[in-house]
Amino acid sequence: DQQVKQNSPSLSVQEGRISILNCDYTNSMFDYFLWYKKYPAEGPTFLISISSIKDKNEDGRFTVFLNKSAKHLSLHIVPSQPGDSAVYFCAASSLGGGGADGLTFGKGTHLIIQP
Amino acid sequence: DGGITQSPKYLFRKEGQNVTLSCEQNLNHDAMYWYRQDPGQGLRLIYYSQIVNDFQKGDIAEGYSVSREKKESFPLTVTSAQKNPTAFYLCASSTNNPWYGYTFGSGTRLTVV
Repeated sequence: DQQVKQNSPSLSVQEGRISILNCDYTNSMFDYFLWYKKYPAEGPTFLISISSIKDKNEDGRFTVFLNKSAKHLSLHIVPSQPGDSAVYFCAASSLGGGGADGLTFGKGTHLIIQP
Repeated sequence: DGGITQSPKYLFRKEGQNVTLSCEQNLNHDAMYWYRQDPGQGLRLIYYSQIVNDFQKGDIAEGYSVSREKKESFPLTVTSAQKNPTAFYLCASSTNNPWYGYTFGSGTRLTVV
C-alpha cells in the first residue's frame, strides 16, 4: 500500500506560469516532508522541506504548502522556467522515529515546461 | 568538493552472478542508504545504515546484502537470489539532522543480460 502518493504522472505548464505539484500521504506518523528534483540518469537533488509544525515554507521560486488535516502537500513553482523540467519526488519521514530510517517516496511527477 | 560517488555508472551482469555496487561519501555523514528506482515507480528503500558496523533492512531487502565497515563506504551486493535486479540504484547519505534532506549519488544502472 502506497503511503505517499503522487497521482499525476506528468504535468505540462507554460513557461512563466505557476506549476503546482501535489502529494498525498496516508501515514499519520509522518511529520517531515521533502521535495526532490531529478533529471534523467542523475541522482535526485534536495529542493525544499517542511515540518508538520508549519503549513508553509518558501525558498525563492519554490513554496511548499502542508495541509495536515487533509494529509496533503503541494509544491508551487513561480514562475516556471525551462530548467524546471524534471521529475519531482515527494518524500516523507517520521522524525519522531529518529528520521534516519529512510524516507518514503512517491512515484514522482514529470514536469514539462513548455516555451 | 564534498560529495557522494557511485561506481560504476553502468553495470552489466550475467544471470546467476553476484555483483557489488560501490558508494563512497566524504561528507562525514553518519547515515547511508540504498534505494532502487524502476520505471514508473518511486524510490524504494533496500538497506540503510545509521552508524558504522550496523545496518537495517528496508522495504525490499531480499536478494541484497550490504556492509558498513567504514563511515565513508556502504557497498551494495546484488546476489543471484534477487529475481529482478535490472534497475537504477541510488545511494544517499545524511546527517542526523534530516532537515536538509539526503545527498544522493548519481546512480548505477544495472542490467542483467
